[in-house]
Amino acid sequence: DGGITQSPKYLFRKEGQNVTLSCEQNLNHDAMYWYRQDPGQGLRLIYYSQIVNDFQKGDIAEGYSVSREKKESFPLTVTSAQKNPTAFYLCASRPGQGVSGANVLTFGAGSRLTVL
Amino acid sequence: GQQLNQSPQSMFIQEGEDVSMNCTSSSIFNTWLWYKQDPGEGPVLLIALYKAGELTSNGRLTAQFGITRKDSFLNISASIPSDVGIYFCAGQQTTGNTGKLIFGQGTTLQVKP
Repeated sequence: DGGITQSPKYLFRKEGQNVTLSCEQNLNHDAMYWYRQDPGQGLRLIYYSQIVNDFQKGDIAEGYSVSREKKESFPLTVTSAQKNPTAFYLCASRPGQGVSGANVLTFGAGSRLTVL
Repeated sequence: GQQLNQSPQSMFIQEGEDVSMNCTSSSIFNTWLWYKQDPGEGPVLLIALYKAGELTSNGRLTAQFGITRKDSFLNISASIPSDVGIYFCAGQQTTGNTGKLIFGQGTTLQVKP
């Protein structure tokens, strides 16, 4: 079955350490996204990528970095510059332009990062 | 960034009751999506709406794309315990995948057996 795999599910890190969250999709989707979720808030866009080797900042990109070297993979690094990194992180993807349902996001199961 | 106003923020209901929640915006949207998120999991698509006035059902769920294109509603009939979770609306002003989806703050639903 096609889907999005995020790992790890739970991650604990000390303050000041960089952390990389993995996101892999086998849906053959062109676009991939990273969202941050905090209690009582909606999903806030961190970074997105419409195509391999290209990505754009979302609404809260400060303290985060991404890469898109392969179509299937879109890892997110939470750097030490992120002031409040403890959160639930969601990766998502959607098909290319012109494909039916192109604006529907499919989400992974999420990764919960706790910074001690 | 732009936000959608989703209400209510939370609901605590008795099993069997009907539920209604909505999202509003000051801007016009071309697409409205409704997602459900179970605790500790990612959101899952419930219903997608693409046309003003469209009314779409998925089992006990019914969603409508507002005529003004600035709002959307989700109704759940005869709620059951597994309806528990967070419901999100999402809107997109453009068509296709070039625009950003904007999410509401979510409605947390709790169902008492």
